[in-house]
Amino acid sequence: DQQVKQNSPSLSVQEGRISILNCDYTNSMFDYFLWYKKYPAEGPTFLISISSIKDKNEDGRFTVFLNKSAKHLSLHIVPSQPGDSAVYFCAAITINTGKLIFGQGTTLQVKP
Amino acid sequence: ETGVTQSPTHLIKTRGQQVTLRCSSQSGHNTVSWYQQALGQGPQFIFQYYREEENGRGNFPPRFSGLQFPNYSSELNVNALELDDSALYLCASSSGGIAGIDEQYFGPGTRLTVT
Repeated sequence: DQQVKQNSPSLSVQEGRISILNCDYTNSMFDYFLWYKKYPAEGPTFLISISSIKDKNEDGRFTVFLNKSAKHLSLHIVPSQPGDSAVYFCAAITINTGKLIFGQGTTLQVKP
Repeated sequence: ETGVTQSPTHLIKTRGQQVTLRCSSQSGHNTVSWYQQALGQGPQFIFQYYREEENGRGNFPPRFSGLQFPNYSSELNVNALELDDSALYLCASSSGGIAGIDEQYFGPGTRLTVT
């Protein structure tokens, strides 16, 4: 039972353009949604999160949008930089469990 | 501030053997979670420890067990290894306690290969 899904295994974008990474979920009880970035040979690092009561959160070049009715969230990176090339994981959490549920990941390649 | 460290980096074991993986939490963190990441998949929650007590478990059999020590370092033990246990094992520490959205800091992982 995959509660968090990232249906695009990979995405390639030109430097300076917008990267949009998508994520769908099935459990309406999630309290927060998070995005993690992972480089090879490193653990995932936290990027940005959004509460389930919000529809947008912005941090510099990164913006996360949440559409609760569609059970869908997306991460926008503008402008994309070659250093953004990594695997991006969408994750969700319910506060009373503290357990992160991850999607399968999307590999982003930003071409110079 | 010391980050999360894991040892060993890589490990090769034979089916049926037992393995112990270690994790040192980030300073000041009292909660540790373990995840299994199979190739091409996202990390899957194994279990979480808060102040030396197990605090939640994912869909993993009892041969996956853990410990958290008074200094909040942690071990993951896997008995009777199976080929499907081959994966990257990640630990993450946080100060969130039983309930919390506090950021989880991940270690670099231990790559386990079972032959």
